[in-house]
Amino acid sequence: GESVGLHLPTLSVQEGDNSIINCAYSNSASDYFIWYKQESGKGPQFIIDIRSNMDKRQGQRVTVLLNKTVKHLSLQIAATQPGDSAVYFCAETPSGNTPLVFGKGTRLSVIA
Amino acid sequence: EAGVAQSPRYKIIEKRQSVAFWCNPISGHATLYWYQQILGQGPKLLIQFQNNGVVDDSQLPKDRFSAERLKGVDSTLKIQPAKLEDSAVYLCASSNTRNTEAFFGQGTRLTVV
Repeated sequence: GESVGLHLPTLSVQEGDNSIINCAYSNSASDYFIWYKQESGKGPQFIIDIRSNMDKRQGQRVTVLLNKTVKHLSLQIAATQPGDSAVYFCAETPSGNTPLVFGKGTRLSVIA
Repeated sequence: EAGVAQSPRYKIIEKRQSVAFWCNPISGHATLYWYQQILGQGPKLLIQFQNNGVVDDSQLPKDRFSAERLKGVDSTLKIQPAKLEDSAVYLCASSNTRNTEAFFGQGTRLTVV
């Protein structure tokens, strides 16, 4: 399969630990943010989203935090599992009709 | 619910040849996107359709790339003539409205030699 992100920042965590992946976004006008997970040879898969009127949103084992003051987004994964190994992208969209703009991505490697 | 379907999965062509990719979005999704993902980078938007109309094609290299969505459902993306730097994964995505979650297909991996 395809290897995505050969030169991406890498985060290595032990299985069972919590993971935190960070993203700095560029447009202060962005009002909708998504975290995507991309496994080798596959398209990006939606994990969780958040709108700019919130600063935290929780899903199943995942939490997204939004700090609009410093234009920072983070994804927290609780009890990281080997199946979480992938490249993670944050994506933003400014208000209006503009489509998603993707960040550079972080490769998460889970050590069993 | 069926996901976004793309074909072919892989394509290898020589430079200066032409190639076409096909996408069938999720049923009922009015918005369709084509993204280009070069190895090691995040997806970059090429074109966005709303039904059969183009909303944003500002990053589409129009001298060689074209896309259409004639009936507001399926879409094709064409490259003619291809260059070596066009080697990438071409991702199609759809959403039911703009500014919401986009669902991605598996992509077409293009290699230009």
